[in-house]
Amino acid sequence: ILNVEQSPQSLHVQEGDSTNFTCSFPSSNFYALHWYRWETAKSPEALFVMTLNGDEKKKGRISATLNTKEGYSYLYIKGSQPEDSATYLCAFSANTGNQFYFGTGTSLTVIP
Amino acid sequence: KAGVTQTPRYLIKTRGQQVTLSCSPISGHRSVSWYQQTPGQGLQFLFEYFSETQRNKGNFPGRFSGRQFSNSRSEMNVSTLELGDSALYLCASSLSAGGFQETQYFGPGTRLLVL
Repeated sequence: ILNVEQSPQSLHVQEGDSTNFTCSFPSSNFYALHWYRWETAKSPEALFVMTLNGDEKKKGRISATLNTKEGYSYLYIKGSQPEDSATYLCAFSANTGNQFYFGTGTSLTVIP
Repeated sequence: KAGVTQTPRYLIKTRGQQVTLSCSPISGHRSVSWYQQTPGQGLQFLFEYFSETQRNKGNFPGRFSGRQFSNSRSEMNVSTLELGDSALYLCASSLSAGGFQETQYFGPGTRLLVL
């Protein structure tokens, strides 16, 4: 079983603040890294799929970077809005073992 | 395009019973994955099906099984239910053979309570 860790576990920020979270994963046998946003009572929503070292992805105010050699990915949210309040999950896949491992998530609350 | 649908949305069973959950992927998607979410363990991968074949499998006991039909719809079965099987079961579909390098689209989940 591979270990995927996310930090911080939870975060409260003021509307307008920028914030970032970390996903750490094994640095060997990297295959893919996914980021999801999961709002209460909804389905997880895919944000990014990252497959190459140095990948940078952007979707509106949200962006992500990937470092497969050191085993981490950052998710950034610029100018947080209350609608950004959700749990942000990362999921890692190795090219061995054929599994998909989720982190425990970062719960973000944006205070108006 | 309609999203991933799961039925039923809620289910109550007793220990020892079995249960079957259904997942209909987005039209045109051929891969379906199943996940279990519990407060203690977070979101865990159960298995993935592609073209009616189980392609990948997580670390769950044999009581958890699944299948996929020719129209890509998938079912998950849990036999001899235990209290610890109480969870939210999510399925996700993706387009084709890209496996875990493809975007996965999640359904709303089935919440199972085992008494």
